[in-house]
Amino acid sequence: QKEVEQNSGPLSVPEGAIASLNCTYSDRVSQSFFWYRQYSGKSPELIMSIYSNGDKEDGRFTAQLNKASQYVSLLIRDSQPSDSATYLCAVEGGATNKLIFGTGTLLAVQP
Amino acid sequence: DAGVTQSPTHLIKTRGQQVTLRCSPISGHKSVSWYQQVLGQGPQFIFQYYEKEERGRGNFPDRFSARQFPNYSSELNVNALLLGDSALYLCASSIIGGDEKLFFGSGTQLSVL
Repeated sequence: QKEVEQNSGPLSVPEGAIASLNCTYSDRVSQSFFWYRQYSGKSPELIMSIYSNGDKEDGRFTAQLNKASQYVSLLIRDSQPSDSATYLCAVEGGATNKLIFGTGTLLAVQP
Repeated sequence: DAGVTQSPTHLIKTRGQQVTLRCSPISGHKSVSWYQQVLGQGPQFIFQYYEKEERGRGNFPDRFSARQFPNYSSELNVNALLLGDSALYLCASSIIGGDEKLFFGSGTQLSVL
């Protein structure tokens, strides 16, 4: 079983729609969860962090965490073509600052 | 403030050669981590250094080594290069004891021929 799982996509949504990206993880003791955006040929860029159950909103982005279900999600409202990228879910892996990444979900926002 | 800087940007080597990649963290960040990202995969943890000490090591062979200098910059060395070492090598810096956020540099694209 992979430690962090994501659907590789591509997830295609029309411009202005809500994009929903999902991630599950296997280590129940993980406490820190992150979403990174990676454009093709570029390095990952941190867009959201979440540490407690519930929702956390930042602009058009909302991260959701359910530790009981070992599930993290990212919602992108009013999706724009510039949001087209690979979204990486990362989970703290026990050792300080070690992150375990999923394979990423490719999001394509259609104009 | 400058972000995480990495050099070189691109590198082409042949099998069996050795390579050194360099990284300077964000000012004030004392921890540096190295990740390998193969095309189509998420980054994989190689090393973490804090205050010049190794704090974590991923599942990579001994051909991979690293060190951190007193100014918190870091080098990643890979010996006896294999074709499978071709990847994007990412350096990330963070504040130990903070919120554990990692900030990545632009990476070094290594091609082994």
